[in-house]
Amino acid sequence: GAGVSQSPSNKVTEKGKDVELRCDPISGHTALYWYRQSLGQGLEFLIYFQGNSAPDKSGLPSDRFSAERTGGSVSTLTIQRTQQEDSAVYLCASSPREGAEQYFGPGTRLTVT
Amino acid sequence: QQPVQSPQAVILREGEDAVINCSSSKALYSVHWYRQKHGEAPVFLMILLKGGEQMRHEKISASFNEKKQQSSLYLTASQLSYSGTYFCGTERAAGNKLTFGGGTRVLVKP
Repeated sequence: GAGVSQSPSNKVTEKGKDVELRCDPISGHTALYWYRQSLGQGLEFLIYFQGNSAPDKSGLPSDRFSAERTGGSVSTLTIQRTQQEDSAVYLCASSPREGAEQYFGPGTRLTVT
Repeated sequence: QQPVQSPQAVILREGEDAVINCSSSKALYSVHWYRQKHGEAPVFLMILLKGGEQMRHEKISASFNEKKQQSSLYLTASQLSYSGTYFCGTERAAGNKLTFGGGTRVLVKP
């Protein structure tokens, strides 16, 4: 079956521009997560959606970062006024229910020049 | 608080064993283990729940000591395919987000 997909796979943007990253979770999965991974580093939690509950935004590093999940399915992570330190791989994961195994997408590699 | 993984890296010969530890300073509800190969997304291995049994994925097993807030991942008779970075993710209560450790890089050589 189809896994988690993310687009674009690569994004190069100039400092100060806004970017949108998209995640299509596995159909039927109620939980959706966004993580950031810098080169050679671990997984940094950003935000978590579970069903119709208010998202857990506790990991968003600044108010330049926001995310939404429409219709309980597709999610978009938006970074406004990008900075060089935002360069990283942004990973999305979905899960059939909270606390269960997470299935990761291939990620979006963001480079801010 | 991010869990602490040790060692940071390990090099093995095919067939050798290794143990990776994941420790938290806070009480845990569950520990998740994932493996990430270079240039790929992390892949789920197993979940250990508080009060649960030791889990196994192929020849990889794991335990969870609730009193010590520590989980250990055992790579037994390692295969070349075990190479990658292993991450533990800890959950402090049911339904909470996962907090991942810094990862342990494993290289299995022929």
